[in-house]
Amino acid sequence: QVQLQQSGPGLVKPSQTLSLTCAISGDTVSNKNDGWGWIRQSPSRGLEWLGRTFYRSQWQTDYVPHVMGRITINPDTSKNRLTLELNSVTPEDTAVYYCVKTRALGQGIVSWGQGTLVTVSS
Amino acid sequence: DIVMTQSPLSLAVTPGEPASISCRSSQSLLNRNGNTYLDWYLQKPGKSPQLLIYLTFNRASGVPDRFSGSGSGTDFTLRISRVEAEDVGVYYCMQALQTPFTFGPGTKVEIK
Repeated sequence: QVQLQQSGPGLVKPSQTLSLTCAISGDTVSNKNDGWGWIRQSPSRGLEWLGRTFYRSQWQTDYVPHVMGRITINPDTSKNRLTLELNSVTPEDTAVYYCVKTRALGQGIVSWGQGTLVTVSS
Repeated sequence: DIVMTQSPLSLAVTPGEPASISCRSSQSLLNRNGNTYLDWYLQKPGKSPQLLIYLTFNRASGVPDRFSGSGSGTDFTLRISRVEAEDVGVYYCMQALQTPFTFGPGTKVEIK
């Protein structure tokens, strides 16, 4: 049974960087059958896919276009975890952030972290 | 991006009665491999979403058989044959054909 345990600050100041970590147990981040990503949820935007990373013969990452340039999703194979960094945050980035595991071949988002509410406020 | 819509946005159901939720995509979700990339998720109150259905009609592991998915192209349906109290929450469809994956606005299901 895969477990995704999220950690990170719940309050970030405007213009600063949001950083979250997702510790993976019961699986490995470099599993070639799966991908690992981040989704956020807010009342104004609903559920919003942010991006994912996956390993086939090399690491590949894709991001939702409107945060590209501000976002970095990194696999940390040494600690078997996934990280999210979102730069230059504004109050519009206030949301619950979820770490997720996606199966290859369209088999769905099979695991979700517990969610972390991140508020952007001074 | 592919836009997803759902109807109704809320639904009150008597236990034991059936329920149906519709989802529509702005473009076909049929892949050249023959699969149609539409998922359904349920978010129970205070919880993270959970996968119910993937590739239009495949039930995820542990999902009761009272849940079924159908559809093709741009029109999809989630059916609950007999609603139980534990089925309350918000149901989301999501297209997984192309990134960024996109979700519908959700359908809130309550018990009468």
